[in-house]
Amino acid sequence: DADVTQTPRNRITKTGKRIMLECSQTKGHDRMYWYRQDPGLGLRLIYYSFDVKDINKGEISDGYSVSRQAQAKFSLSLESAIPNQTALYFCATSGVNQPQHFGDGTRLSIL
Amino acid sequence: GQSLEQPSEVTAVEGAIVQINCTYQTSGFYGLSWYQQHDGGAPTFLSYNGLDGLEETGRFSSFLSRSDSYGYLLLQELQMKDSASYFCAGGAGNTPLVFGKGTRLSVIA
Repeated sequence: DADVTQTPRNRITKTGKRIMLECSQTKGHDRMYWYRQDPGLGLRLIYYSFDVKDINKGEISDGYSVSRQAQAKFSLSLESAIPNQTALYFCATSGVNQPQHFGDGTRLSIL
Repeated sequence: GQSLEQPSEVTAVEGAIVQINCTYQTSGFYGLSWYQQHDGGAPTFLSYNGLDGLEETGRFSSFLSRSDSYGYLLLQELQMKDSASYFCAGGAGNTPLVFGKGTRLSVIA
């Protein structure tokens, strides 16, 4: 089983819909992250959480929200999806000052 | 703020050596990491330099000079499977890593 699991792996939806991307991890890490990847722009941080009670905005948080339901679970929501949120989304986890471990990504298309 | 700059593309011949450079601007910087991402895949951790100097892991080496705000990833004996994107990433204090925009390496026969 994968250490970091993202669901769904692919999603196509329409403008205005609410979407939730889920992430769970079995590594026992306290720190979890959501990134967005667009061609040529690298990995941009949306939100991060250093423990269950900690939520922080990243570089591009507008239009997104998150929930840290447990140490192992960190979900990302798009309240009202728009086409320019079409991208590849990655969840990652890490220990303190440790390498990040990424999920396999969710490819999201908004029509 | 923090930013890391790396070339967008590099092409090299199978069996050769290639160096991917990374320069950064960040305060309180504590180390440089490298990640590899194949097309359609997830980024995976390659190496970390917390101190100046060279770290070697098999065919891959990574170097850091904090006085020059500079590091590089060196890939030796290139193989076709090394074709991928490579990201440098840095952190400062108790903040998440900031990633460069990535270097797409194409290995040709």
